[in-house]
Amino acid sequence: GAGVSQSPSNKVTEKGKDVELRCDPISGHTALYWYRQSLGQGLEFLIYFQGNSAPDKSGLPSDRFSAERTGGSVSTLTIQRTQQEDSAVYLCASSLDGEQFFGPGTRLTVL
Amino acid sequence: AQKITQTQPGMFVQEKEAVTLDCTYDTSDQSYGLFWYKQPSSGEMIFLIYQGSYDEQNATEGRYSLNFQKARKSANLVISASQLGDSAMYFCAMRSFSGGYNKLIFGAGTRLAVHP
Repeated sequence: GAGVSQSPSNKVTEKGKDVELRCDPISGHTALYWYRQSLGQGLEFLIYFQGNSAPDKSGLPSDRFSAERTGGSVSTLTIQRTQQEDSAVYLCASSLDGEQFFGPGTRLTVL
Repeated sequence: AQKITQTQPGMFVQEKEAVTLDCTYDTSDQSYGLFWYKQPSSGEMIFLIYQGSYDEQNATEGRYSLNFQKARKSANLVISASQLGDSAMYFCAMRSFSGGYNKLIFGAGTRLAVHP
């Protein structure tokens, strides 16, 4: 069956450029989460969407980070003016009422 | 503040033996859930097992069992009969059902290596 998909799988960008990362959740899942995983580290929560409610943005590390979820489905995480410390794997997860199902992640490298 | 602690950065186990991965948590909430995820070198996060704070029995899923000791605030993962394919990073996570928390708090992870 279709799981959570993310694109691109890898992204290499230059410092200062903007990037957009996409997440397609499992159809029907009302909750969508973005996490960041730096090399050798655990997962760091970034942002959470639940239905039509205002998102929980408490994990976004700076105002360079923003995310949207259009039509209650696809989500885009945008990082403006990327910095080298933004290099990480960005993971998206979706859930219906409990267990979170994760996508394969986008590996972002900022040169 | 909520926190998950995994004190074992790395563990080794012989194939077919059992291994316990430690996880302790800190929360003041009465209602919460505990998860274990496996992350192989491919990077995907694979859900293994879940324990609710009000569940009286320890959760089991095949070769995985969760040793839940509520008073000690520990939720150790036990893998029985280890297989080479079990070599991966293992993350313990907690979700609160009160106080408006909707995110999973993850531990730093334990890297498990299974030797033949």
